[in-house]
Parts: sequence; C-alpha cells; structure tokens
Amino acid sequence: DVKVTQSSRYLVKRTGEKVFLECVQDMDHENMFWYRQDPGLGLRLIYFSYDVKMKEKGDIPEGYSVSREKKERFSLILESASTNQTSMYLCASLRGSSGGQPQHFGDGTRLSIL
Amino acid sequence: GEDVEQSLFLSVREGDSSVINCTYTDSSSTYLYWYKQEPGAGLQLLTYIFSNMDMKQDQRLTVLLNKKDKHLSLRIADTQTGDSAIYFCAESSYRSGSARQLTFGSGTQLTVLP
Repeated sequence: DVKVTQSSRYLVKRTGEKVFLECVQDMDHENMFWYRQDPGLGLRLIYFSYDVKMKEKGDIPEGYSVSREKKERFSLILESASTNQTSMYLCASLRGSSGGQPQHFGDGTRLSIL
Repeated sequence: GEDVEQSLFLSVREGDSSVINCTYTDSSSTYLYWYKQEPGAGLQLLTYIFSNMDMKQDQRLTVLLNKKDKHLSLRIADTQTGDSAIYFCAESSYRSGSARQLTFGSGTQLTVLP
C-alpha cells in the first residue's frame, strides 16, 4: 500500500513566521503535489513536482514555495505566514504521468495562523 | 479554465440509494475519479472511470458517465451511516505537459440519516 505521510496533523503558527510543511512518500513516485482545502472550494493545487528539483506552479502559488531535494520528500514553505493561509493542506503523490493511476493522499495538516 | 461542479450537500435515509452528481468542462479529460474524505482524514480513492466507458460498477458503487453532457454520477446502493463523508469528483488532464493533474469539485457532504 502507498503511504503518504505528512509530518504534522495540526500546526499553529504566528503571522510573519516561516512555516515548513513536510510530506514523505514511500513508493518511489515521480510526482508529488500540494493542495489546500477550504470549505466550499474543494482542493486547489498550490505546486507540484514531477522530478527531484523540478517544480511547477499550480493554481494558487502566491505566498508559497516548495522544495524537492529527494524523490521521496516534498516540502511546502510559507515564506511569511498570513492569516489567509489558515487552511487544511493536503499532500499527494502519483506514479508516472500516464494511465489511470490515482493520486494518493496524506491525512492532511490543519494549519492555523494567528 | 477547467471547472468541476458539484452540489454541496445531500441527505439520504439509511438503506436508500444516494446519487451524487458532477459536471465538468474539460472535453480532453481522460479519467474521472471519485474520492471520499472522512472527518479529519485525507482523500481516499473510491473508484475511477476511463472516458471511453459509460458505466462502471464496483460492489455498492455505480459510476455513470455521459461524455456528451460532461456529466458524471456516483450511486451508492443501500447507503449506510459509515458512508457519511465528503465526496469529491475530479477530472484528470495534462494542463502543463509535465504531469497529469487533477481538477477537483467543491465536494458533496453526504449525510446519512438513521
């Protein structure tokens, strides 16, 4: 079974702090994704990575950056956290780029910015 | 851009069938997915359908796809209280050429009443 592990289930930070959210997958998947989930808006893609050190912006990249130094780990960085970044953050991984392979999700990190 | 729409809420009585509907706009979608999210958890893949199919059945789940109308539905037979969750529809396409990405609907909160 694919395991996607997000380092924290709940996190509380202050405005202006630099925040790191970590995600690790154990199935050697090429692609990894960061989403944020807000009520009534579904999941919105922040950034994704299709290989080590490669990244592409998703739909809402402003205020975020990412890092993928190793294949199994994809980090989301809030450079200077703001209250409008309070949300549920979900990481996903995906094998290859073709076919019907589904994305596999972690359990999410609920981030509160005070 | 691509858009996926779902109604936000659905209530059914235990033992009845539930039908969750979804419409999408991207005619190049090749795979369409249904994910389930239980409280406090990440997304769990329920089922998916390839765009050249019009129906897929998996135990209590039936997926219907009307590609002409870009309409997808998920029917859950004999709905149980454990089926109460948020259900997300998602369509898969290459948007930037580097990785297959998912566009999610807003999610439908299914409540099963005893």
